[in-house]
Amino acid sequence: DTAVSQTPKYLVTQMGNDKSIKCEQNLGHDTMYWYKQDSKKFLKIMFSYNNKELIINETVPNRFSPKSPDKAHLNLHINSLELGDSAVYFCASSREGYITDTQYFGPGTRLTVL
Amino acid sequence: DAKTTQPNSMESNEEEPVHLPCNHSTISGTDYIHWYRQLPSQGPEYVIHGLTSNVNNRMASLAIAEDRKSSTLILHRATLRDAAVYYCILHSGAGSYQLTFGKGTKLSVIP
Repeated sequence: DTAVSQTPKYLVTQMGNDKSIKCEQNLGHDTMYWYKQDSKKFLKIMFSYNNKELIINETVPNRFSPKSPDKAHLNLHINSLELGDSAVYFCASSREGYITDTQYFGPGTRLTVL
Repeated sequence: DAKTTQPNSMESNEEEPVHLPCNHSTISGTDYIHWYRQLPSQGPEYVIHGLTSNVNNRMASLAIAEDRKSSTLILHRATLRDAAVYYCILHSGAGSYQLTFGKGTKLSVIP
């Protein structure tokens, strides 16, 4: 069983479209995250949710909206896609979000905006 | 989170030990040292973490300097599967949930 799964694995779309990426974890964790890895391979946190509540919202355009229907899911909606949104998006989860908690990452979703 | 400095890249021969260094001279007393790695086309995966004492697990060992201003990740016998980017991350935990990734060290393993 995959611990953290994401769908789709690849997403190619046109500028201006709205798209969603889904994330599910079956580890029973309380905290989930979205990270973005750009073309230069820098990994940066976007959002963090703990028990369905938003904890961290880094400087991310409000076109990006995370939605957590339950503790096992954290979906990422992106409106009005721009070329600069092209990147690999990783979902992750951890038990609580404490300093010693391991984060488990999904396989990533490669988003290409044309 | 405090900053870490790692070499951009390193090479190792297969079956030999690898020592990946990390400098963190501004580390604070409550910072944990975490190591993650990212294999090609995959998400990052946890390797090891520690606070003051050296740590061992099935994947690697972490040697932490006495003054905690540097640490070394040790892979005891490099395999081709260990070729990845290795990230040394300081996690202060002061209300902080996220990991702050730097550039990491790209490890190449030569058969």
